[in-house]
Amino acid sequence: TQLLEQSPQFLSIQEGENLTVYCNSSSVFSSLQWYRQEPGEGPVLLVTVVTGGEVKKLKRLTFQFGDARKDSSLHITAAQPGDTGLYLCAGEDGGTSYGKLTFGQGTILTVHP
Amino acid sequence: SAVISQKPSRDICQRGTSLTIQCQVDSQVTMMFWYRQQPGQSLTLIATANQGSEATYESGFVIDKFPISRPNLTFSTLTVSNMSPEDSSIYLCSVRQVHSYEQYFGPGTRLTVT
Repeated sequence: TQLLEQSPQFLSIQEGENLTVYCNSSSVFSSLQWYRQEPGEGPVLLVTVVTGGEVKKLKRLTFQFGDARKDSSLHITAAQPGDTGLYLCAGEDGGTSYGKLTFGQGTILTVHP
Repeated sequence: SAVISQKPSRDICQRGTSLTIQCQVDSQVTMMFWYRQQPGQSLTLIATANQGSEATYESGFVIDKFPISRPNLTFSTLTVSNMSPEDSSIYLCSVRQVHSYEQYFGPGTRLTVT
């Protein structure tokens, strides 16, 4: 069973600060997805990374997949109150596990005005 | 991306009863999954809903407790049977196209069992 360790679990920062969320595993993933979930809603897909070393940017959000495809990070620049929410990473090991995502425990981000 | 709807959005049920959750997608999708998110927890895969055949369940989940149907490429149901308070969770439908890495989730069904 693959495990994804996500850290930190909680993050409370002021508007304008930068932050990084980490997802780490001892297993190799064929792809890794980042989601954001707000209370009462389902997770919304932010990005999918597939290639080792890949970096993707989505406005102020930068996602990186580790060279060995065992870890990933999400960096937010100049956080805004609208970034508040639960951030989830989810990995897939491919093959017969196609579509079966293993989720990290999540990071609850609160950005104070 | 696919637009996914779930019914009901929430329900409060009594112990021992069953609830069927519906998942409808606005386009044909290859793969459909059901996940559970227990209070304060992350998401756990229950099963893969296979069109025209029995669902494939993950360890810890059984067909008698969570029967699943998938009659076509746009619709699936999950039934939570003989409910207990431990079944109180958010149940989420998820879809994906084969040859795509992108996986999408519905809005969820928030179930409370009393």
